[in-house]
Amino acid sequence: AQKITQTQPGMFVQEKEAVTLDCTYDTSDQSYGLFWYKQPSSGEMIFLIYQGSYDEQNATEGRYSLNFQKARKSANLVISASQLGDSAMYFCAMREGNEKLTFGTGTRLTIIP
Amino acid sequence: DSGVTQTPKHLITATGQRVTLRCSPRSGDLSVYWYQQSLDQGLQFLIQYYNGEERAKGNILERFSAQQFPDLHSELNLSSLELGDSALYFCASSAGLYSNQPQHFGDGTRLSIL
Repeated sequence: AQKITQTQPGMFVQEKEAVTLDCTYDTSDQSYGLFWYKQPSSGEMIFLIYQGSYDEQNATEGRYSLNFQKARKSANLVISASQLGDSAMYFCAMREGNEKLTFGTGTRLTIIP
Repeated sequence: DSGVTQTPKHLITATGQRVTLRCSPRSGDLSVYWYQQSLDQGLQFLIQYYNGEERAKGNILERFSAQQFPDLHSELNLSSLELGDSALYFCASSAGLYSNQPQHFGDGTRLSIL
C-alpha cells in the first residue's frame, strides 16, 4: 500500500485564489511527522511546512497552512492568495519515527494570471 | 538557500563509468540522506548517515555506495553506470534523528548517462 497518496497530478488555479493540495497517508505509528516540499522547475526542493502527529493545532507558515485531520489521515496543504511564483511541483512526505522521508508522487500546480 | 551544498550541479558521463557526488550538510546537522529522483520512480530514499555511521538503507543498488566523513560531509559513489541511473540526486540534512526535524535539501546533482 502507498504510504503517501497525492491524488491530484495537476491543478490550475487563478492568481490570488486559495488552493488546497490533497495528501493522505498510511501509518500504524503513533509518532510521525508530515512535511510539504515545493520543487520549482529549476529543480531544488524547498521545505515549506511541518506537522507533527501530536500537534493539536494546524501548522501555519506565512501563506501556507496545513489542514491536519488525524482521524482521516489527511494532511492537506492550503496556499492562500496564490501567486505566479507558486507554480511548481508540490510533494507531501511523511517521516515515521527515526526513518527516512517517504514522498508522494506530487501535484503540479500552475497559477494562471 | 537551504545551507546544504551539493557538487557538481551537473554531470555527464558514459555507461560503465564511475562518479562521485559530494554533499556538505547544513552547519550543525549530523544526519545526511541521499535521494534519487527519476521520472519513472519518483523520489526514492537511498541511504542515511548519522554522525559518520550508516543509519538506514533504502532502495540503493549494490553498484552504489556512500560514506560520511569526520567533518560530516558525505559522498555518494555510483559505479558501472547504466542509462537508467540518469536522475537527479539529492542530498538532504537534518539536525538529528527525530521525526519532527525537517530535512533540508541541496539543489541536487543532475546526472546524465550517455
